[in-house]
Amino acid sequence: DGGITQSPKYLFRKEGQNVTLSCEQNLNHDAMYWYRQDPGQGLRLIYYSQIVNDFQKGDIAEGYSVSREKKESFPLTVTSAQKNPTAFYLCASSIAGGGTYEQYFGPGTRLTVT
Amino acid sequence: AQSVTQLDSQVPVFEEAPVELRCNYSSSVSVYLFWYVQYPNQGLQLLLKYLSGSTLVKGINGFEAEFNKSQTSFHLRKPSVHISDTAEYFCAVTLYNTDKLIFGTGTRLQVFP
Repeated sequence: DGGITQSPKYLFRKEGQNVTLSCEQNLNHDAMYWYRQDPGQGLRLIYYSQIVNDFQKGDIAEGYSVSREKKESFPLTVTSAQKNPTAFYLCASSIAGGGTYEQYFGPGTRLTVT
Repeated sequence: AQSVTQLDSQVPVFEEAPVELRCNYSSSVSVYLFWYVQYPNQGLQLLLKYLSGSTLVKGINGFEAEFNKSQTSFHLRKPSVHISDTAEYFCAVTLYNTDKLIFGTGTRLQVFP
């Protein structure tokens, strides 16, 4: 079955710790994305990557970092510099090129930082 | 700058009633339009999309949407809703020749028996 997996589903961390969220896809998609979802604010783009070893900042990249060493994987690190990290994080992927292709979403990771 | 506005944060409706979820966008360039659905604690799933051609687009689960260029709208409709349609619905646009999606803030559809 092709799809996107995110792990873990729930993640708890203490303030001041970095944490890495996993995202893997077996759809052979070139483009991958990370979104943050907060109640009443929709989805906001954190980072995206259209090709291996290249990625661009989205609208709210501060306090986050990513890597794209393999086509299948696009991990997101939430650093201690992110002032309000508690949120629902969604990873997505798509065929790259022109914006006509739908994005496929993973099930999400709910991060709670206390 | 491009933006998407979903005018209603919540829409309550009784089962078997019709529903319309409103979406307006602003853009000075061509856009592609999408509606996604999100069930509780899950990712998003595509309902339908408009790229070009017929302005009436049919999607999954009996939903349809109409693209109106003059009013810059892309409202989602269903003639008869079911309890299982209870979910959050997001309108989104991609800018021409980019892969970046811009989302609205979402509309929570609550279907009552």
